[in-house]
Amino acid sequence: NAGVTQTPKFRILKIGQSMTLQCAQDMNHNYMYWYRQDPGMGLKLIYYSVGAGITDKGEVPNGYNVSRSTTEDFPLRLELAAPSQTSVYFCASSSSEKRSTEAFFGQGTRLTVV
Amino acid sequence: KNEVEQSPQNLTAQEGEFITINCSYSVGISALHWLQQHPGGGIVSLFMLSSGKKKHGRLIATINIQEKHSSLHITASHPRDSAVYICAVTDGGSARQLTFGSGTQLTVLP
Repeated sequence: NAGVTQTPKFRILKIGQSMTLQCAQDMNHNYMYWYRQDPGMGLKLIYYSVGAGITDKGEVPNGYNVSRSTTEDFPLRLELAAPSQTSVYFCASSSSEKRSTEAFFGQGTRLTVV
Repeated sequence: KNEVEQSPQNLTAQEGEFITINCSYSVGISALHWLQQHPGGGIVSLFMLSSGKKKHGRLIATINIQEKHSSLHITASHPRDSAVYICAVTDGGSARQLTFGSGTQLTVLP
């Protein structure tokens, strides 16, 4: 089972460049999330989606955009990359079928902005 | 907004020792998750619990809803248990997003 697949695993960007972090899940999950992990800090929610066509901001959305055109895919777009966006990014998904449900995470994307 | 605190931040143990990692949260939740992250690796879900106790192999997770506290125990620890252990909670809201603790770095020495 593939689960949640993120690409790329590593990326170095120059300040001002843009890129898209890809995330795909094959579990037919309605809920998908993007988190960032900074050293010594808990993961923080960037954006989330409760279904295709529906997205909303999390705790730290500035500098990012998302789209959810299909159930499977939830790409995260960085426009005008800044050093503060150097972080490890995790995509996650969960089912909407039960009240509380397990979260599945991708392998992460380590991004450095120089 | 829920505040999730973990302790200790760092823990070094000898192989075979019994290990406890603690997690407390500030607001009522619908579920608490224990996650494991190996160096350079992804995040794997170990447990999701909303009451009582769960056991999987050498790992045991307990939760006390009244005290807003959970513990993760590792019996007969092994160097391969070395990882970051993360506590996270969900309040059962419409999006079920997680609020995370900052993690506990566990190192088990042979």
